[in-house]
Amino acid sequence: EVQVLESGGGLVQPGGSLRLSCAASGFSFGSYGMTWVRQAPGKGLEWVSGISGSGGGTHYADSVKGRFTISRDNSKNTLYLQMNSLRAEDTAIYYCATVNSGSYNFDYWGQGTPVTVSS
Amino acid sequence: ETVLTQSPATLSLSPGERATLSCRASQSVSRYLAWYQQKPGQAPRLLIYDASNRATGIPARFSGSGSGTDFTLTISSLEPEDFAVYYCLQRSNWLYSFGQGTKLEIK
Repeated sequence: EVQVLESGGGLVQPGGSLRLSCAASGFSFGSYGMTWVRQAPGKGLEWVSGISGSGGGTHYADSVKGRFTISRDNSKNTLYLQMNSLRAEDTAIYYCATVNSGSYNFDYWGQGTPVTVSS
Repeated sequence: ETVLTQSPATLSLSPGERATLSCRASQSVSRYLAWYQQKPGQAPRLLIYDASNRATGIPARFSGSGSGTDFTLTISSLEPEDFAVYYCLQRSNWLYSFGQGTKLEIK
């Protein structure tokens, strides 16, 4: 069974940093791209970042480019999102999801980890 | 950046009725459009990918159509569990964007 489980969320002050993790199991992790999607309280979904299976290709939404870094450790079946220079508007639930290797859609999602940026 | 506009923002229908949700792209996305369902407190669930392909385990009452800039998600006969928020998602070379969502509520 495919499972992805996010962790690392919490309360952080504006300008601070946080690293999210996403532990994956039940599939060949290094063969699949992965992605982060966020949802601000009461709002819609926003794509944040994606990474290829090898980790050689990374992609970002304009809203986080230069502040967030996506990475992965295929030996640990884990995806990361390093978030720096956090702003109040980064407050959201952050979901990780698998990227289907054929259709490039987001197949399997975790339950999310909440991030709150506030002083 | 490709902007997706969903309509209506809210759709009020009764169980058994037919639901038609629209998603319009600011530029052609070919058929690279997917539909997701999200219920309160839950992660989104993939319903339709590449405009018209049902994801694994999705009931046949869900169908998708369209190409280029205009897409439709149709639920042929609403079940009580179908009342939720629906999002469309487009992809263009690893750059993605979601529509703002359509809330399907019970009338």
